[in-house]
Amino acid sequence: EPEVTQTPSHQVTQMGQEVILRCVPISNHLYFYWYRQILGQKVEFLVSFYNNEISEKSEIFDDQFSVERPDGSNFTLKIRSTKLEDSAMYFCASSGVELGLNYGYTFGSGTRLTVV
Amino acid sequence: SQQGEEDPQALSIQEGENATMNCSYKTSINNLQWYRQNSGRGLVHLILIRSNEREKHSGRLRVTLDTSKKSSSLLITASRAADTASYFCATDTPGAYSGGGADGLTFGKGTHLIIQP
Repeated sequence: EPEVTQTPSHQVTQMGQEVILRCVPISNHLYFYWYRQILGQKVEFLVSFYNNEISEKSEIFDDQFSVERPDGSNFTLKIRSTKLEDSAMYFCASSGVELGLNYGYTFGSGTRLTVV
Repeated sequence: SQQGEEDPQALSIQEGENATMNCSYKTSINNLQWYRQNSGRGLVHLILIRSNEREKHSGRLRVTLDTSKKSSSLLITASRAADTASYFCATDTPGAYSGGGADGLTFGKGTHLIIQP
């Protein structure tokens, strides 16, 4: 079964450093997403990406965050200057051409980001 | 309550029993999805039900949607120890986020289900 792959699985970074989280969505999917889950809290939507541009974003996705699809397979989330409160599990997801079809989103296993 | 809020927060039942979890939401939706998350792992999609559907089945899972009450339920029949996990409902709500594009999901806090062997 096709998978969404995320790397690295764990990342520890110093406060103020830039981090890039990487994702390889399912190859024939056209919509890509980033979510985060702070320990013990809800999964929160960050951003969606379609046709090489941001489609939707939440209030969390401020100027510190950016997304990019640098080639035909990778989808990245960059945090420019990390803060302690950015520590969370970050999930990438992708979905097919038509939302509402009976398979929903496919999520990756996540990258656990720890900011120290 | 917030969009996509599950109850109960925790549920412990014996293996073989049925487990029912509920989700309530506040605004109109395009669809509602249920996900499972094992401790520290990723989210696994279980079922998507559209706003014009009332019931869906997948194996031992049954999902209902009542748009008049803005609620959904997930029933797991003949539970197994392997069903132990957190279960989340997530709503695809038009206009929930800025941009108007591919709608991001709004998740609830989840129901932690424990199946006692």
